[in-house]
Amino acid sequence: GAGVSQSPRYKVAKRGQDVALRCDPISGHVSLFWYQQALGQGPEFLTYFQNEAQLDKSGLPSDRFFAERPEGSVSTLKIQRTQQEDSAVYLCASSPEDRDNEQFFGPGTRLTVL
Amino acid sequence: AQSVTQLDSQVPVFEEAPVELRCNYSSSVSVYLFWYVQYPNQGLQLLLKYLSGSTLVKGINGFEAEFNKSQTSFHLRKPSVHISDTAEYFCAVIRNGNEKLTFGTGTRLTIIP
Repeated sequence: GAGVSQSPRYKVAKRGQDVALRCDPISGHVSLFWYQQALGQGPEFLTYFQNEAQLDKSGLPSDRFFAERPEGSVSTLKIQRTQQEDSAVYLCASSPEDRDNEQFFGPGTRLTVL
Repeated sequence: AQSVTQLDSQVPVFEEAPVELRCNYSSSVSVYLFWYVQYPNQGLQLLLKYLSGSTLVKGINGFEAEFNKSQTSFHLRKPSVHISDTAEYFCAVIRNGNEKLTFGTGTRLTIIP
């Protein structure tokens, strides 16, 4: 079956532009996570949904970052007024209810802010 | 809060030699432990996980890891590496009762022919 998909795979934005990153989780997966991976670093948690409810957004670095999952499936991570420090790979992961915390990752979206 | 330390940022190993990638964690509560592999331009793939029970965990591609509670370590091992093992390896923890993964900074494993 299909894994987690993310689009676009690559995004170049000028500083100050708004961007929207999409995540399609594995069908039926209840939980959805967003992580930010800076160059040479491990992924860092941004936010977590269980179905459509955003249960944890403690990792969002500023109020310019906003995530939603209105129907409990597809999720969008929006970054407003992008800054150079937002350049990173944004990873999405999903998890079913009964897989002992195993998260399935998408290929990521590489965002470059010029 | 928990943290994960991977002391080795890069590990070069000759093909067919054994390898150990080190991971130490700190947490005041019990945790679940994971190793993920990231091939170039791909997402993270789970190698193995420790939730409870036997401290020796076997994963995919011939990898195994041992949970050592007294040393707060979860080192990854493979007795004989292959060229295809070239990748970035990440150790991660989930605090029991939480959901989010906390990752180490990763170890780049390079296999020398």
